[in-house]
Amino acid sequence: GAGVSQSPSNKVTEKGKDVELRCDPISGHTALYWYRQSLGQGLEFLIYFQGNSAPDKSGLPSDRFSAERTGGSVSTLTIQRTQQEDSAVYLCASSSDRVTEAFFGQGTRLTVV
Amino acid sequence: AQSVSQHNHHVILSEAASLELGCNYSYGGTVNLFWYVQYPGQHLQLLLKYFSGDPLVKGIKGFEAEFIKSKFSFNLRKPSVQWSDTAEYFCAVRSWGKLQFGAGTQVVVTP
Repeated sequence: GAGVSQSPSNKVTEKGKDVELRCDPISGHTALYWYRQSLGQGLEFLIYFQGNSAPDKSGLPSDRFSAERTGGSVSTLTIQRTQQEDSAVYLCASSSDRVTEAFFGQGTRLTVV
Repeated sequence: AQSVSQHNHHVILSEAASLELGCNYSYGGTVNLFWYVQYPGQHLQLLLKYFSGDPLVKGIKGFEAEFIKSKFSFNLRKPSVQWSDTAEYFCAVRSWGKLQFGAGTQVVVTP
């Protein structure tokens, strides 16, 4: 595609429910990142996929968070048993390799009520 | 631990003033350095990047940044800001593929 696409753009969920956030990276990009952006908190690294290598999960805040990337393309970030502190904008980015700049999607704004 | 530090969280300045935003990182080895900007309501966009060569890099919209290896710094500058430069600015460091961001600096330019 022309850019990184994320869906949904907005998600309101009840505390305790599971949510799935989707990211379609730029076609051919081998690297994919997930970040969380909270007000005044900057971009918190969550997870990084590079090709077929094992993902770098060092930023996932708890075992309620998981992500997968199927076929080296689309990625899904899953948050189980959502909590109010999970409310944030979740950003996805992709890049063509380990070196070049990353391109960002518009993000998914998650609100847990 | 590897980290990216931005010195200022909020900066307010008048149009035509000069802007400098500090960024320091604590990575060893080879790094790639970036500044991104997020205008209100928009997604993150690349301002400029440094991979190698001339440590003074020029980006879009009149921005430039200087890589000083000995100081582990990559400061962003613009000689004369405009109201349209109001945005949040993020420094980022890429090491072994992983891309880490600073906390961001909110810049407000007043007319």
